[in-house]
Amino acid sequence: QSVLTQPPSVSGAPGQRVTISCTGSSSNIGAGYDVHWYQQLPGTAPKLLIYGNTNRPSGVPDRFSGSKSGTSASLAISGLQAEDEADYYCQSYDSSLSGWVFGGGTKLTVL
Amino acid sequence: QLQLQESGPGLVKPSETLSLTCTVSGGSINSSSYYWGWVRQPPGKGLEWIGSIYYSGSTYYNPSLQTRVTISVFTSKNQFSLKLSSVTAADTAVYYCARQGRSGAYDFWGQGTLVTVSS
Repeated sequence: QSVLTQPPSVSGAPGQRVTISCTGSSSNIGAGYDVHWYQQLPGTAPKLLIYGNTNRPSGVPDRFSGSKSGTSASLAISGLQAEDEADYYCQSYDSSLSGWVFGGGTKLTVL
Repeated sequence: QLQLQESGPGLVKPSETLSLTCTVSGGSINSSSYYWGWVRQPPGKGLEWIGSIYYSGSTYYNPSLQTRVTISVFTSKNQFSLKLSSVTAADTAVYYCARQGRSGAYDFWGQGTLVTVSS
C-alpha cells in the first residue's frame, strides 16, 4: 500500500482531457515537499514528465500540466492522444519515512 | 546526452547478494548538482525507491531496505553500484539506476535490468 494514493486507472477518448490525482498526507505533499510525475510506456523506463509540481522538462508537450494543493497533487493531460496510453506515477518526499515515495501508479487507457 | 546503463547478473540465488553496477556516460558523476539512485519495480507492480548516493559518498536508503542495502560510488570509473544482501523472491524486480536532481526528481534513467531471485 503506497503512501501516495493514485487511482488504479483512468480513461478518456482522443482529444479529451483527463486528470490523475495523487493524494498524500501532512508528512509528504502537505508538508510542502515537491511532487514529480513520470510516464512509463509499456516495457520502458519511466520518463520524467513534471518536476517541482508544475514544471515541464524540455521536450515534454504543454498538453501535460501539474498542480498541487494541500495534501494532493494532480496531473492533467489535455488533447489526449493514443500514444499517451501508459502508466503514470507521482513521487514526493516523506518526512515520516525519511525517504522518497512513489504513488501506486495509474494506468491511462485511451478509448 | 547523458546515458545510464545497468549491468550485473540476471539471476541470483535466495540468501545471496544481488550486485549491480550503473555506468554513466555523456556526463560526469562527479557533480555537486546531482544524486545518483536506484529504483526497482517488481513485475506488474509499481516503483520503489531503494536509495541514493552523492558523488562525495554520502548515502541515504529506503528505511525498509536499509539493513540490506549498500550503494557505492566510483568517481574514477564514472560508476555507482548497488548491493542488496540476503535476497528473497520478493526482491525479484527490474532495477533501474537514475540521476536525481536537487528537487528530487529523477531526470535520466537507465533502461533497467531484470533480476530474478530463484534457486
